[in-house]
Amino acid sequence: AQKVTQAQTEISVVEKEDVTLDCVYETRDTTYYLFWYKQPPSGELVFLIRRNSFDEQNEISGRYSWNFQKSTSSFNFTITASQVVDSAVYFCALSENTGFQKLVFGTGTRLLVSP
Amino acid sequence: DVKVTQSSRYLVKRTGEKVFLECVQDMDHENMFWYRQDPGLGLRLIYFSYDVKMKEKGDIPEGYSVSREKKERFSLILESASTNQTSMYLCASSPTGTGSYGYTFGSGTRLTVV
Repeated sequence: AQKVTQAQTEISVVEKEDVTLDCVYETRDTTYYLFWYKQPPSGELVFLIRRNSFDEQNEISGRYSWNFQKSTSSFNFTITASQVVDSAVYFCALSENTGFQKLVFGTGTRLLVSP
Repeated sequence: DVKVTQSSRYLVKRTGEKVFLECVQDMDHENMFWYRQDPGLGLRLIYFSYDVKMKEKGDIPEGYSVSREKKERFSLILESASTNQTSMYLCASSPTGTGSYGYTFGSGTRLTVV
């Protein structure tokens, strides 16, 4: 069975600090996809990134970066120089490679960035 | 701007009522999903549909049913609402095909059953 673990329930940082959100996954599939979503206080989940299991290159998008390591089954998310607007709940998710597109979500990490 | 629209942002219903949560997408996506979100439990899949009139149970279907009569609309039905169904309900859609594209989510319906 597929499973996603986000062990950090809540993280509090002060603005401009760097913060890493951890994500560990379990799957028996050789082809799979990993995602990160952001849920701001407004409630709507916003897509941040998709990564397939054959692409272990790290990715950087502005202040955001992602580290995918198959050897440790981890897909960690780092925010550099955090800002108050980064305050949200962040979800990591895993998808099998089927037409049904089902996603399994972690329990989420609440990030609070204080000024 | 492509969207998934949930008809209500907040709902308050009484125990025993039949409750309909509506979701409409304008992206011509084949797949649609209903999740509930609870603190500490993340998002849990209730039902999904991969085509008109087709439905599949998710991880927690008990107490719920769904309807998909048109491709763009996916309804979640609480046959007899109970207080343990108080939750945030999220609808999502995605295209089908090889690979995985992630979801487009609606803004959620916060349901309170009293």
